[in-house]
Amino acid sequence: EADIYQTPRYLVIGTGKKITLECSQTMGHDKMYWYQQDPGMELHLIHYSYGVNSTEKGDLSSESTVSRIRTEHFPLTLESARPSHTSQYLCASRGLAGGNFKETQYFGPGTRLLVL
Amino acid sequence: GENVEQHPSTLSVQEGDSAVIKCTYSDSASNYFPWYKQELGKRPQLIIDIRSNVGEKKDQRIAVTLNKTAKHFSLHITETQPEDSAVYFCAASPPYDRGSTLGRLYFGRGTQLTVWP
Repeated sequence: EADIYQTPRYLVIGTGKKITLECSQTMGHDKMYWYQQDPGMELHLIHYSYGVNSTEKGDLSSESTVSRIRTEHFPLTLESARPSHTSQYLCASRGLAGGNFKETQYFGPGTRLLVL
Repeated sequence: GENVEQHPSTLSVQEGDSAVIKCTYSDSASNYFPWYKQELGKRPQLIIDIRSNVGEKKDQRIAVTLNKTAKHFSLHITETQPEDSAVYFCAASPPYDRGSTLGRLYFGRGTQLTVWP
């Protein structure tokens, strides 16, 4: 089934560790996004990509980095996790899907990160 | 870039009543306006969207209206039910050929809707 997948769904990690949050989509979308969201709060765009080998920083400054080597894969990396990175990270992609002839944005299930 | 304002931030209604959430946008070139519903612990899901060539769109109990002149759009939920309780986000999107935005969505800050039985 065409969808967006994120792993891990939950991650508890100690300060200073390097982590990579995985995001993959099977819809063939060119545009992908990473959002940071605290519970029940607004969506902050931290990175986006409109195709392979293209990445841009979003509105919210983030110490994370992203890469886009394959269309379906858009991982986010934190070189040294800190408690201030504790949040939910949502991946999204935008394009055509499911017989819809208009571009629509779909979200992944999110990764809840807790840095101790 | 685009700026989207959303009001109210919280909204409580009795089951069966109507709920209205309003958004304004700043970029007159924006031409796509989706609404997302995010239930507790779940991902945001698209519930309805409207493009700038229409003024209103309905889907069962939900409807969206768009006023391009005033640059505002609204979500209307009629006959609310407890399962409508969630955070609702509006968004606006400029057209793809506008600089480097390439169709990214600009979100409002969200409205926490609570429907009391």
